[in-house]
Amino acid sequence: SYELTQPPSVSVSPGQTARITCSGDALPKQYAYWYQQKPGQAPVLVIYKDSERPSGIPERFSGSSSGTTVTLTISGVQAEDEADYYCQSADSTHVVFGGGTKLTVL
Amino acid sequence: EVQLVESGGGLVKPGGSLRLSCAASGFTFSNAWMSWVRQAPGKGLEWVGRIKSKTDGGTTDYAAPVKGRFTISRDDSKNTLYLQMNSLKTEDTAVYYCTTETSYYYMDVWGKGTTVTVSS
Repeated sequence: SYELTQPPSVSVSPGQTARITCSGDALPKQYAYWYQQKPGQAPVLVIYKDSERPSGIPERFSGSSSGTTVTLTISGVQAEDEADYYCQSADSTHVVFGGGTKLTVL
Repeated sequence: EVQLVESGGGLVKPGGSLRLSCAASGFTFSNAWMSWVRQAPGKGLEWVGRIKSKTDGGTTDYAAPVKGRFTISRDDSKNTLYLQMNSLKTEDTAVYYCTTETSYYYMDVWGKGTTVTVSS
């Protein structure tokens, strides 16, 4: 079955840039999406169609795609960005999530 | 304001059944694709399945671990989505989220979730 692979954790100091990657064989053909989940809360969509940002999401969140890897970039990380981040794509009609990356703001 | 409110979670024994509901408001429910996503304690997100709008055929798709045991349905007259869960297993223990799903196969609005615990 189709899999999306994320690093389990990423750490960054406030004000620095965090990059979270997601790899999957179908990503060159399928869009990727990113969700942010804070403890005890439901996930929130932060990037759709590889690089589009929903309204209300800060400009410091951006997405990019290159081959079988997509990247969520958070520029000028703030303490409030500490959360779990999940990539997501689709295998035909089935939705697939990555295993999640815990972003720690040092 | 778009809102999804799940209900029906609780404690059930292995082999038992449970039906979750999701009340939708703030958008045209009948036009929306709807999905369920779950999250086991301390684990990541797992898509459970979806139901398309009737205008898009009203068809359902399920993840392999729940296919044949879970059924998603909708009542557009009540703006309500359902998840019927049968033959429950301990590994079905999770928070279950109701979501809207776009035709690009991503979830744009999430409910707060309801907790299902399968234990003897």
